[in-house]
Amino acid sequence: DADVTQTPRNRITKTGKRIMLECSQTKGHDRMYWYRQDPGLGLRLIYYSFDVKDINKGEISDGYSVSRQAQAKFSLSLESAIPNQTALYFCATSKVQGASTDTQYFGPGTRLTVL
Amino acid sequence: GQQVMQIPQYQHVQEGEDFTTYCNSSTTLSNIQWYKQRPGGHPVFLIQLVKSGEVKKQKRLTFQFGEAKKNSSLHITATQTTDVGTYFCAGSPGANNLFFGTGTRLTVIP
Repeated sequence: DADVTQTPRNRITKTGKRIMLECSQTKGHDRMYWYRQDPGLGLRLIYYSFDVKDINKGEISDGYSVSRQAQAKFSLSLESAIPNQTALYFCATSKVQGASTDTQYFGPGTRLTVL
Repeated sequence: GQQVMQIPQYQHVQEGEDFTTYCNSSTTLSNIQWYKQRPGGHPVFLIQLVKSGEVKKQKRLTFQFGEAKKNSSLHITATQTTDVGTYFCAGSPGANNLFFGTGTRLTVIP
């Protein structure tokens, strides 16, 4: 969905480097998420934010941190990258839909390789 | 913790054959969503099921939510090459986060 953008789209880095992945959205959604995708493991939630002042850990937050700079921006940082963080990373957004769980809108993904 | 398992992991079918993927949760879900990810693409929302025993159709796709709200299935009738991709179910025990299944990668042989 062009309304959710991620930069960079591809990144190769070395073990121990600090990396930041950025996500921007023009959908006006309050909720934003970071997932990683690994073959055979599906999508796993790293962090999520329900508004600018709200940050929550997901299933696999160790080794990652996030910053919600504005409603439209949510960045993911790897303070000291390691090879097993090589994966495809997706940002997603959603809006509250009453009692139903939000539909999530995904960005195009960032392919990260840690050597 | 919450687990959503999906089978099979891979499925190869001849064009025109039917395809089904199954999703099972260790806990009762308030609702379930299905997403499709084309090769090289990102997941795209297909549908949400909320009611026990609910069945919804989108053209050749039929989605079902189990009576106990712990399982779901996606059935595609007469597959086409445009159906290729990975299909994910995603369940929620409440009104907040989704737990994604491991996905089923569908290959359609022309």
